[in-house]
Amino acid sequence: AQTVTQSQPEMSVQEAETVTLSCTYDTSESNYYLFWYKQPPSRQMILVIRQEAYKQQNATENRFSVNFQKAAKSFSLKISDSQLGDTAMYFCAFSLTSGTYKYIFGTGTRLKVLA
Amino acid sequence: DAGVIQSPRHEVTEMGQEVTLRCKPISGHNSLFWYRQTMMRGLELLIYFNNNVPIDDSGMPEDRFSAKMPNASFSTLKIQPSEPRDSAVYFCASSRTLDTEAFFGQGTRLTVV
Repeated sequence: AQTVTQSQPEMSVQEAETVTLSCTYDTSESNYYLFWYKQPPSRQMILVIRQEAYKQQNATENRFSVNFQKAAKSFSLKISDSQLGDTAMYFCAFSLTSGTYKYIFGTGTRLKVLA
Repeated sequence: DAGVIQSPRHEVTEMGQEVTLRCKPISGHNSLFWYRQTMMRGLELLIYFNNNVPIDDSGMPEDRFSAKMPNASFSTLKIQPSEPRDSAVYFCASSRTLDTEAFFGQGTRLTVV
């Protein structure tokens, strides 16, 4: 069975600073996807970034980038130049590429960006 | 694109009543997922469909829960009878195929009193 662990329940960062959210996962599969979703107070789940396990290059999306360490089963999210609008819950998620397609979500990290 | 549309956004009902949650996936998306979010259990997949066919309903908690997808543009999640422990936020998500990223609706906050 796959598991996803987010060990930081809450974090805060000053506006314009950089913050890194941690995520580790466990699987015996070699092909899978990893995602970071953002859930602001509006409750909407918004896809931030996606990483395919077969790709060695770390995904980036504007101010958001990941550090994907396949051997260590680690998938951290770095937010550069933090903005007040980044305040939200952040969920790490895992999905296989075949077979069972359900996302396994972590418990989330509540990020607060301080002015 | 309007995104995944869920209705209602909020629902308050009395224990024992039937509740129906609705979802319109993104046009052209072939896969649809229903999730439940609670403080205690986080985000859990209840059921998912591919090409309108239920593929895996192992996450549906009890027989009181049922889901249908009569066509590619509409799905319902029904709880009958509802109980206070069903109170949660219910999300619908859709994806182009089973192995592409899912886009979520804004969720329905259900409160059963």
